[in-house]
Amino acid sequence: SQQGEEDPQALSIQEGENATMNCSYKTSINNLQWYRQNSGRGLVHLILIRSNEREKHSGRLRVTLDTSKKSSSLLITASRAADTASYFCATDDPLGRTGGGNKLTFGTGTQLKVEL
Amino acid sequence: GAGVSQSPRYKVAKRGQDVALRCDPISGHVSLFWYQQALGQGPEFLTYFQNEAQLDKSGLPSDRFFAERPEGSVSTLKIQRTQQEDSAVYLCASSKGNAANEKLFFGSGTQLSVL
Repeated sequence: SQQGEEDPQALSIQEGENATMNCSYKTSINNLQWYRQNSGRGLVHLILIRSNEREKHSGRLRVTLDTSKKSSSLLITASRAADTASYFCATDDPLGRTGGGNKLTFGTGTQLKVEL
Repeated sequence: GAGVSQSPRYKVAKRGQDVALRCDPISGHVSLFWYQQALGQGPEFLTYFQNEAQLDKSGLPSDRFFAERPEGSVSTLKIQRTQQEDSAVYLCASSKGNAANEKLFFGSGTQLSVL
């Protein structure tokens, strides 16, 4: 089952604009990660935010985490056509309810299209 | 190798055939995961190995699905008597350790089509 739900499901913007994607999850976490998937390819790790962090930056990426609302957002600033991809949030399993280790549960994804 | 390698890239099977999907993780990576991704959906967990031990197979949809990693490196996902609902992309991922803050490295996947 999917742990997270991304919102919106699809987003279309012009190059240079900012893109914001949201993720909601259901259970407690230690960390939340964001991944990107280009069409027909595997997922690529973008950024990790720990449960005791509220905001994190990496280049043009900004991630926020609100554990009280069980939600996270990913902001891509000054978007480029090459940012066109699907973006997924992924949560860990700190209580080992489902086998433990560093197994990640992924959300349903936001499909971002950046047009020239 | 430089990354996670999966083969074949595409597999077409007739309903009822058995298939075997291979994953070569990054050398030295302890953890290996198999995920199933339906069109337009996020990856769904299938199974997890720590070295050669299969610690979690809770996501395998039926007893037709079997995975192994006998020497703690290469892994094979086998699907017996394939059904149309097995059509999906099967993704393999590995990570260096098994800590909660590890990031996963994914292969490009095997796209399975069952006719």
